[in-house]
Amino acid sequence: QSALTQPASVSGSPGQAITISCTGTSSDVGSYNLVSWYQQYPGKAPKLMIYEGSKRPSGVSNRFSGSKSGNTASLTISGLQAEDEADYYCCSYAGSHTVVFGAGTKLTVL
Amino acid sequence: EVLLVESGGGLVQPGGSLRLSCAASGFTFSRYEMNWVRQAPGKGLEWISYISSSGATMYHADSVKGRFSISRDNARNLLYLQMNSLRGEDTAVYYCAKASDNYYFDYWGQGTLVTVSS
Repeated sequence: QSALTQPASVSGSPGQAITISCTGTSSDVGSYNLVSWYQQYPGKAPKLMIYEGSKRPSGVSNRFSGSKSGNTASLTISGLQAEDEADYYCCSYAGSHTVVFGAGTKLTVL
Repeated sequence: EVLLVESGGGLVQPGGSLRLSCAASGFTFSRYEMNWVRQAPGKGLEWISYISSSGATMYHADSVKGRFSISRDNARNLLYLQMNSLRGEDTAVYYCAKASDNYYFDYWGQGTLVTVSS
């Protein structure tokens, strides 16, 4: 149950696009198309942004998109806005009703 | 509106016990799997416990196995986390989270803080 690997921080200017990677193993990310992404503001509960790799819940901006290749999943945010500045966590199913989270990525909007 | 409200957190001494509760409303609680996820101060999210919709199946992360136990009362729409033999590294905000069919968490509570310290 090792945490998925995410960059500690990423940054971008308003209007730009950024991508956050999430690397797992053949036992989690690589085996299932069941990666989800969460946005978390300081002191707040996480919010679901992407599920099943690339699907957006109702109400989530289409500026957020997800993808996967092999053992690595990615979250892309296009048209960066100041309100996107937050922590982002990936999460993957890991078998036997268990999931594993990434260590988190702090997004800074310059 | 789906609402999850945790309670039961607080300050406890190392080796002590605590029981967290999560009151669910706005959805048919008995139909959904539930989980506990925690976050140590300044750290990332850590999944710790899963329970099936009926309560018959439970799984725990290695970090809490043998010390924590998840349970539920579907008649009262309540989720529980019994925490025993608490350690300093268990200090965290504990969230209950409603699970989808495909292992993503679509609703979260606001969290309850557990501090383990003498």
